[in-house]
Amino acid sequence: GAVVSQHPSRVICKSGTSVKIECRSLDFQATTMFWYRQFPKQSLMLMATSNEGSKATYEQGVEKDKFLINHASLTLSTLTVTSAHPEDSSFYICSAGTSGGNTDTQYFGPGTRLTVL
Amino acid sequence: GDSVTQMEGPVTLSEEAFLTINCTYTATGYPSLFWYVQYPGEGLQLLLKATKADDKGSNKGFEATYRKETTSFHLEKGSVQVSDSAVYFCALSDRMRRGGADGLTFGKGTHLIIQP
Repeated sequence: GAVVSQHPSRVICKSGTSVKIECRSLDFQATTMFWYRQFPKQSLMLMATSNEGSKATYEQGVEKDKFLINHASLTLSTLTVTSAHPEDSSFYICSAGTSGGNTDTQYFGPGTRLTVL
Repeated sequence: GDSVTQMEGPVTLSEEAFLTINCTYTATGYPSLFWYVQYPGEGLQLLLKATKADDKGSNKGFEATYRKETTSFHLEKGSVQVSDSAVYFCALSDRMRRGGADGLTFGKGTHLIIQP
């Protein structure tokens, strides 16, 4: 089946630093990737939709200058949390939709736990 | 905006019991509906989906029927096993509202615990 990986799985950083999270589709090409954020005991909240080779589309309330998304290839998207603060601590999950137009089926990565001290 | 409401957990059942996890939704357009499952330490996996009213999604003994009149997509299984213990998420994709994009709106998840 389709596999999506994320790296790192956990990261702890100091306030004010930037953190990059990678999302890779290992055995398929993903024209569209999605980034979600999950708070404890809450649902996953869509942050942005990323299409290969174009700018990401951010959901209302998500700061695009804070959460930089790059989708440079059909198998890699990165999320950079810039100038991280403790309130950015969360579980970040990516998913990838397969090529062909209909991305109703998404394949999810295992998530990255970010802790900002 | 779109929203998904599912029953809070944890839900604890004995093996071979009947399972129902309720899910209701609100959406602007005509959404596709999904159930995802997350086993401990793993990413979300698609369990089943339905793309239009009255469709029934099924997989691994689980079923859910897209009920437009009640805006519901309840998950059911006739006889649960210990291996079904996981967190279950109901979700929708409203492409019409999102202008063709497929980002998902999730419920909060229901933690299911099956005891032997």
